[in-house]
Amino acid sequence: EPEVTQTPSHQVTQMGQEVILRCVPISNHLYFYWYRQILGQKVEFLVSFYNNEISEKSEIFDDQFSVERPDGSNFTLKIRSTKLEDSAMYFCASSVLRGGIEQFFGPGTRLTVL
Amino acid sequence: AQSVTQLDSHVSVSEGTPVLLRCNYSSSYSPSLFWYVQHPNKGLQLLLKYTSAATLVKGINGFEAEFKKSETSFHLTKPSAHMSDAAEYFCVVIIRDDKIIFGKGTRLHILP
Repeated sequence: EPEVTQTPSHQVTQMGQEVILRCVPISNHLYFYWYRQILGQKVEFLVSFYNNEISEKSEIFDDQFSVERPDGSNFTLKIRSTKLEDSAMYFCASSVLRGGIEQFFGPGTRLTVL
Repeated sequence: AQSVTQLDSHVSVSEGTPVLLRCNYSSSYSPSLFWYVQHPNKGLQLLLKYTSAATLVKGINGFEAEFKKSETSFHLTKPSAHMSDAAEYFCVVIIRDDKIIFGKGTRLHILP
């Protein structure tokens, strides 16, 4: 069964460093998403991406964040200069369509900023 | 404003007894509602979804949920809990397009 994969499973970085979180969505999916879950808090929407551009983003997704689909398979989230409060689990998701359609989630990348 | 409220942060039931995880939503639009489950160190897995068809929705692993518009609820139930059901459960609303709102989650504990 096809699934969304994410690498690495755990990333530790120093404050101020850049990190890139990688995702491989399901191959026939067209819509891609990033979410984060700070420990003990709810899952929060960050950004959605379609046709090589951002379709929607939350207020969390500021200039420190960027997304890219560098090739036909990967979907990346870059945090330019990490802060302590960026420590969280980051989930990638993909869907065939938008608008109330199931999103398939990856296992997540746990980011720890020291 | 759109929101999702999961009324219990933790629920404990004995194996073999019924499970009830509560979810209420607030939406100006006609919502699509989902329940996801997250096992430790795993991604989010869809249990079931409501998208304005039948109000009683059956999902995987014996779970079901009933959409009650008058009560703005979408509670998740299972007649008989199994040890493998121990996990975190999220009620999710998709309001429009792909704008998605998660509840805070309910951790389900199964007692032997």
